[in-house]
This record gives sequence, structure tokens and C-alpha cells, in this order.
Amino acid sequence: AQSVSQHNHHVILSEAASLELGCNYSYGGTVNLFWYVQYPGQHLQLLLKYFSGDPLVKGIKGFEAEFIKSKFSFNLRKPSVQWSDTAEYFCAVNRYNAGNNRKLIWGLGTSLAVNP
Amino acid sequence: KAGVTQTPRYLIKTRGQQVTLSCSPISGHRSVSWYQQTPGQGLQFLFEYFSETQRNKGNFPGRFSGRQFSNSRSEMNVSTLELGDSALYLCASSLDSGTSGVQYFGPGTRLLVL
Repeated sequence: AQSVSQHNHHVILSEAASLELGCNYSYGGTVNLFWYVQYPGQHLQLLLKYFSGDPLVKGIKGFEAEFIKSKFSFNLRKPSVQWSDTAEYFCAVNRYNAGNNRKLIWGLGTSLAVNP
Repeated sequence: KAGVTQTPRYLIKTRGQQVTLSCSPISGHRSVSWYQQTPGQGLQFLFEYFSETQRNKGNFPGRFSGRQFSNSRSEMNVSTLELGDSALYLCASSLDSGTSGVQYFGPGTRLLVL
């Protein structure tokens, strides 16, 4: 079955530390890849997406992610985190094919806590 | 533009009852997807409606149903509630079929089943 794995369920960092959250998926065909973020008390919102082209994508708030097709990975990175980055981060994969049987597959999420 | 709205925001029900949740998508969005979010299971896809038709369905029992109206507003119904149905129910809208992946989420309805 298709799946999306986020390796870290809980991450605790100090401000200014670098961040990398892992995301791997199991589907081998054409995919669209996403990171969504849920700040405390706020709605889930799109952080960044990859559809095609440059595998290094930039998102909001200094986040970036790199699509490595050979590794089925789409890891999220930020060189220097801030306290305001404390949130839950979700990786999602949309398998693309013809027809109607398409839906986003979500990882379980990674809870990031940044200590000031 | 107003965002995705969901009503009610909080709900307490007892086992065996039924519940209806409502979602109003962003104006102009034709796709509405529903998710169940729990700490242990993450985001679980329930179903997606596009132009009043169910386009996709997740692996939930038939107690979970939905519909979409001509103005794109959507409702989700859960009959014969079980304790395990306690969760945050999220609605997401998108311009086209929600399976493109770019979705806009509402604040959710937190359902507690006692």
C-alpha cells in the first residue's frame, strides 16, 4: 500500500539550530509533493509544494525542501529555526495518474518545538 | 476572500447519536475534502466532493457520509457515533479537484463522543 513516512514524530530544537525533517513515500510513479504546517491554534496551511522542475523548492518563512527521486524523499529544511516555527509539520504526496482515483496521502506529522 | 468556515466548532455527543458537520469553502472553490485528524492516526482522508459528486473516498465505514450542494457547501454526517469517532474533523477546499494537492483548510470541528 502507498504510504508516506515521516521519520521524526517529535523534534525539539533551540533557536538558530538547523532543521531537517524527513519524508519518504512508497509510490514509484509521478508524484506531487507537499509540506503543510499547522501552527498552534491555527489552520493547516501549505508550506511548499513540488510539481515538477527544480527539485529544490522554496516555501514560506525560509523553508525549503528537496525532492530526491531516487530516494523517494522530500525532506524539509530550514537553516536557522525560530521560536515561531513551533508547529506540526505534515508531508503529503499526491499520486498522479489519469482517472478519478487520486487522493493525497498524508504522513503522521512531526511535532516541532523550538526553545527560545 | 473569506476562508474556509466550519460549523460548529465544538460538539459533544453520546454514543449512538448522529452528527452533521458543515463546511463552506472559499468562494469559487468547487472541491471540498474532509479529513479526520487524531493524535495517533494523523490526517485520515474521508472523502472529496467536486461539483456535487463524490470523487474520492477513504477507508471509513458507511456510517460516514457526505454531500455537496450546488453552492459548493458541504456537509458530513456520522451516524451511530462511537467513542473512537472523537476527533478533529477538517474540511479543505480547492479550486479544482482536491487531488491536485493544494488545499485550503478550515479550523475544524472538534467532536467529542461520550
